[in-house]
Amino acid sequence: DAGITQSPRHKVTETGTPVTLRCHQTENHRYMYWYRQDPGHGLRLIHYSYGVKDTDKGEVSDGYSVSRSKTEDFLLTLESATSSQTSVYFCAISESRGLSSGANVLTFGAGSRLTVL
Amino acid sequence: DAKTTQPNSMESNEEEPVHLPCNHSTISGTDYIHWYRQLPSQGPEYVIHGLTSNVNNRMASLAIAEDRKSSTLILHRATLRDAAVYYCILRDVQNAGNMLTFGGGTRLMVKP
Repeated sequence: DAGITQSPRHKVTETGTPVTLRCHQTENHRYMYWYRQDPGHGLRLIHYSYGVKDTDKGEVSDGYSVSRSKTEDFLLTLESATSSQTSVYFCAISESRGLSSGANVLTFGAGSRLTVL
Repeated sequence: DAKTTQPNSMESNEEEPVHLPCNHSTISGTDYIHWYRQLPSQGPEYVIHGLTSNVNNRMASLAIAEDRKSSTLILHRATLRDAAVYYCILRDVQNAGNMLTFGGGTRLMVKP
């Protein structure tokens, strides 16, 4: 199984401050993802990366930026946190489980709980 | 990705089999059927996936209808640890980003 570490696991911050969440993987997987999970909305994709310096937007990307300068690290940044960004953030990687990309499975990290006051 | 429909919640008794249904009437020929589950306060975890044939692994079985418009995740003997939200997701092989789109899932409650 892929080793995925998210940090910090918990953070409380104030509105308007910048916040960076880190996702670290140990197995050189190409694809990495950031999701957020809120009551009533389920899991929603924020941004994803398909290689070093290659990223793209997901469903709810406004207010977030990402960077991937190394294969193993995918950073999610909130430039100026708002209360609406209070959420649980999950990082994931994609692993091949067959010859087709349709068989690729996602492995998720333990989550980072962010509270913006 | 094509949509799936699942019941919001189901109940089961411990040590009994559980059949979790999923409808995906608009499935395309290249869509894989994936199941994930999310235990309380944890990230989602992969359970099983299939394309056309039924599949078994150490966690569960996946039964796929002949027309592929529905599938059923089978937990052979539910334990309290199986209480979770179960997501049925279609994964298009044409999906360039390899991402998953989650719906609401089925919340499974297991009674002792």
